Amino acid sequence: NAGVTQTPKFRILKIGQSMTLQCTQDMNHNYMYWYRQDPGMGLKLIYYSVGAGITDKGEVPNGYNVSRSTTEDFPLRLELAAPSQTSVYFCASSGTARSSYNSPLHFGNGTRLTVT
Amino acid sequence: DAKTTQPTSMDCAEGRAANLPCNHSTISGNEYVYWYRQIHSQGPQYIIHGLKNNETNEMASLIITEDRKSSTLILPHATLRDTAVYYCIVRPLIQGAQKLVFGQGTRLTINP
Repeated sequence: NAGVTQTPKFRILKIGQSMTLQCTQDMNHNYMYWYRQDPGMGLKLIYYSVGAGITDKGEVPNGYNVSRSTTEDFPLRLELAAPSQTSVYFCASSGTARSSYNSPLHFGNGTRLTVT
Repeated sequence: DAKTTQPTSMDCAEGRAANLPCNHSTISGNEYVYWYRQIHSQGPQYIIHGLKNNETNEMASLIITEDRKSSTLILPHATLRDTAVYYCIVRPLIQGAQKLVFGQGTRLTINP
């Protein structure tokens, strides 16, 4: 199994541009998450989803949008990129319908985004 | 969720046991202690979790004090590949979405 796959690995955006960070998982997990990590800091939750069609805000949702049309995919959208969004973005998934109880998070290897 | 306190950095010699402490003095009775690690430039990786009994798996051991106000993650025979940032997280054992809160963790360096 590939686990959690994120694309692209790196991206440079100009201020005001938009882009979508892709995330897909092949573990049939119900729950998916987007975190961002600024240099030298811990991870902060942006959005999460408990299943297809259901999303909710995390700690730092401003400037981002998400959708969950399928179990496998959870894209993160930046509409008007700002320098404050320069960060490393991690997607994660956890839990199936039968094992959601305390299921650990599985993370992708991140997308490194620079906004200039 | 209860707050945790970890040392900013630690060093350990290769082949020795690495003992990473975590203080969680405000932990509640229903909160578990989780450990994740993040090897440079990669996504975090789950290591282990526990409530009050000591736990061991193929990666590490977790020792929780009797009053549950602190814990220690033990890597029994540290290798260079164990160099990483280690996160101690305290939260209830729940079904559904695991919305973990990551602090700054402990940067562990394994020296040859």
